[in-house]
Amino acid sequence: DVKVTQSSRYLVKRTGEKVFLECVQDMDHENMFWYRQDPGLGLRLIYFSYDVKMKEKGDIPEGYSVSREKKERFSLILESASTNQTSMYLCASSTVSENTEAFFGQGTRLTVV
Amino acid sequence: SQELEQSPQSLIVQEGKNLTINCTSSKTLYGLYWYKQKYGEGLIFLMMLQKGGEEKSHEKITAKLDEKKQQSSLHITASQPSHAGIYLCGADDWTGGFKTIFGAGTRLFVKA
Repeated sequence: DVKVTQSSRYLVKRTGEKVFLECVQDMDHENMFWYRQDPGLGLRLIYFSYDVKMKEKGDIPEGYSVSREKKERFSLILESASTNQTSMYLCASSTVSENTEAFFGQGTRLTVV
Repeated sequence: SQELEQSPQSLIVQEGKNLTINCTSSKTLYGLYWYKQKYGEGLIFLMMLQKGGEEKSHEKITAKLDEKKQQSSLHITASQPSHAGIYLCGADDWTGGFKTIFGAGTRLFVKA
């Protein structure tokens, strides 16, 4: 059974804290993605990665960074958390082939207070 | 860049009724995906459509892609409480690198 695992389901952090969201996939997928999901806005892409140590900015990268040191792990970093980063964060992975679906983690609901 | 618009944003139906959710793209679709999300959880893949006029079914859910490949619809027959959730359409987007973009989602409530 394919799996994308996010390290936390729920997180509460203080404004200004550095926050790490971890995502691990066991499918040997090349592509990994971080999205945030907000009511009325759907899923918006933050960053994605095609390969180890590679990263590309998505639509809303400001305030975030990522790290991909190993193929199976893709970390999202909030350098200095702010209240407008309170959201649901979803990690996904996919193969490099076109027209194949992405597999999603269960999501991390982050609240910044 | 490509945009996906979903309608309606929210839908409440009585159990047993049929319903349709639409997804419209600003550009030609080369890979259109439908996902379902239970509230507060990750996305579950339902179906993928590629060809104009293509139609796929899974249990009581049918998805179609129009001939022009700019619009897709998701139809649920005889809805059940288990169908409740958020339905999202996604599409392959090659702008700035290959990725999947999503519509804002349709929140479906099924009244028992």
